Amino acid sequence: NAGVMQNPRHLVRRRGQEARLRCSPMKGHSHVYWYRQLPEEGLKFMVYLQKENIIDESGMPKERFSAEFPKEGPSILRIQQVVRGDSAAYFCASSPLRQRNTEAFFGQGTRLTVV
Amino acid sequence: EDQVTQSPEALRLQEGESSSLNCSYTVSGLRGLFWYRQDPGKGPEFLFTLYSAGEEKEKERLKATLTKKESFLHITAPKPEDSATYLCAVQEETSGSRLTFGEGTQLTVNP
Repeated sequence: NAGVMQNPRHLVRRRGQEARLRCSPMKGHSHVYWYRQLPEEGLKFMVYLQKENIIDESGMPKERFSAEFPKEGPSILRIQQVVRGDSAAYFCASSPLRQRNTEAFFGQGTRLTVV
Repeated sequence: EDQVTQSPEALRLQEGESSSLNCSYTVSGLRGLFWYRQDPGKGPEFLFTLYSAGEEKEKERLKATLTKKESFLHITAPKPEDSATYLCAVQEETSGSRLTFGEGTQLTVNP
């Protein structure tokens, strides 16, 4: 899974600041997924994107969270006005195909700490 | 709503002591069941995908099986390097490509 690149690996933000998490998918992959792992909890789906399209954002909190995957450059998960409850590990995964079986390959995650 | 329950939450084994991890799931239509391994501070590492009841897949000391209600990850003669959290996830037919994960089984293999 080293092919999916996430940065930064660790991010510290004060309450009220903005957090930007970046994800570059594996070469040849055009589908990106973001998951959040809260302390002592399982991975939870947030959003699924293709280039310039949000396909499924059913797991995204209604406020303060947004995601994009532009034609050029990495996918960005943006959290505005962060609160302590946003502290978590955020994982990005990518796959080459939308349909069926393709396993998603995960990055190493960004660990966000809100102080 | 899709549900995935893994048991036990934690498992300690002696090196060479074989065992099984369980993943029970409830989905309206299963597209695929996935097993991942996650080491502390790292992202999930893909192990297997299973698609239909009766299917089995093997990789080194690991073997995954699938029924209509659950999947098992069998670990034969484990080694300390098999220590990790094992995650099970389901992909449901009408929910696109997203995965619903269980909370994982934390496996520790003592030398």
